[in-house]
Amino acid sequence: GQSLEQPSEVTAVEGAIVQINCTYQTSGFYGLSWYQQHDGGAPTFLSYNALDGLEETGRFSSFLSRSDSYGYLLLQELQMKDSASYFCAVENYGQNFVFGPGTRLSVLP
Amino acid sequence: DAGVTQSPTHLIKTRGQQVTLRCSPKSGHDTVSWYQQALGQGPQFIFQYYEEEERQRGNFPDRFSGHQFPNYSSELNVNALLLGDSALYLCASSFTGTGYSPLHFGNGTRLTVT
Repeated sequence: GQSLEQPSEVTAVEGAIVQINCTYQTSGFYGLSWYQQHDGGAPTFLSYNALDGLEETGRFSSFLSRSDSYGYLLLQELQMKDSASYFCAVENYGQNFVFGPGTRLSVLP
Repeated sequence: DAGVTQSPTHLIKTRGQQVTLRCSPKSGHDTVSWYQQALGQGPQFIFQYYEEEERQRGNFPDRFSGHQFPNYSSELNVNALLLGDSALYLCASSFTGTGYSPLHFGNGTRLTVT
């Protein structure tokens, strides 16, 4: 089977840095993606890691360790608008994505 | 450039009925995937269509079926609705080719089964 684990909730204050971890067990693996979803909205793509290491996109960075079946999303200089749910997703063969349960991030003033 | 569009936005059906949801992919995309998202959970993969054929399928019963048209748009059909089918149904499009193509999601159809 395939499974992904993420913390259910994370709380931080504006301007802080937060890390959302994701561990996975999957029969096939092409890469790890991260999506953001605001309440009532559609998931939107944030980042993708196919190889080990860190990918940086503005305030967001994502890390992958294939040997540890582990990745994380790092959000810097938190803003109120970053309050949302964040999902890691494993890409299997043929663009089949398995999503994690999601981490609800609350940013406090 | 229009993104992924889904219709209808909301739908209320009675147990045992049938429903059809529609999706138009982002311009330039040729692959459509459907996901079911229960409240407070991550999207669950239903199936994926490419070149008008079901390419992959998740762990959903045969009551869930779909179709892709020559213009790449897609339909999701659910027969014999159960209360447990109440969820947000998300359509996502992508491009099948060399390199990585992230999923672009529509805003979803909120299905309520009573």
